[in-house]
Amino acid sequence: GQQVMQIPQYQHVQEGEDFTTYCNSSTTLSNIQWYKQRPGGHPVFLIQLVKSGEVKKQKRLTFQFGEAKKNSSLHITATQTTDVGTYFCARVDSNYQLIWGAGTKLIIKP
Amino acid sequence: ETGVTQSPTHLIKTRGQQVTLRCSSQSGHNTVSWYQQALGQGPQFIFQYYREEENGRGNFPPRFSGLQFPNYSSELNVNALELDDSALYLCASRGQGRTEAFFGQGTRLTVV
Repeated sequence: GQQVMQIPQYQHVQEGEDFTTYCNSSTTLSNIQWYKQRPGGHPVFLIQLVKSGEVKKQKRLTFQFGEAKKNSSLHITATQTTDVGTYFCARVDSNYQLIWGAGTKLIIKP
Repeated sequence: ETGVTQSPTHLIKTRGQQVTLRCSSQSGHNTVSWYQQALGQGPQFIFQYYREEENGRGNFPPRFSGLQFPNYSSELNVNALELDDSALYLCASRGQGRTEAFFGQGTRLTVV
């Protein structure tokens, strides 16, 4: 199946700075999901986007789905130490299987 | 409502051995999927079970096999372990008609 490309691989930020991760596909996506995995933990479902141009917010997190449904982004405003972890996007294929991006690791500089 | 639970949490095996990992799905969830996550990478889909039947498989060899039981719990079996099988094995369950997956804490398998 078609992979989803996720960038950057890592992002180092000072606490209080913003963070953004991007997910791209060469084909139209029926939907996109976002997960967070804390260090040593397991993926935790954050949100699903389905509609073209959709924007959803969860407190300091803003999720967007592109108009062409080929890209998505997750933006965190004013990062906190609790935001540390790896953020994954994943597309759901026709058999409800998750095809994952490589993830973006958020690192807070000391 | 109980979440997804996996056992054991950690396991060390020798190359060539066989291993069985177990997963109890979240209450009311009838679909279970297994994923392999190597260090620093995203999860890779192994296979999925719905009502005791395998209904999807990723690019894994036949020595990776599974079962789902009438109570929707599941097992992942790996024969003839190889060093590259060392990874975090994640089980996820979904409810009927739902697409969001709920993951267990995983089993960390080390093959030496």
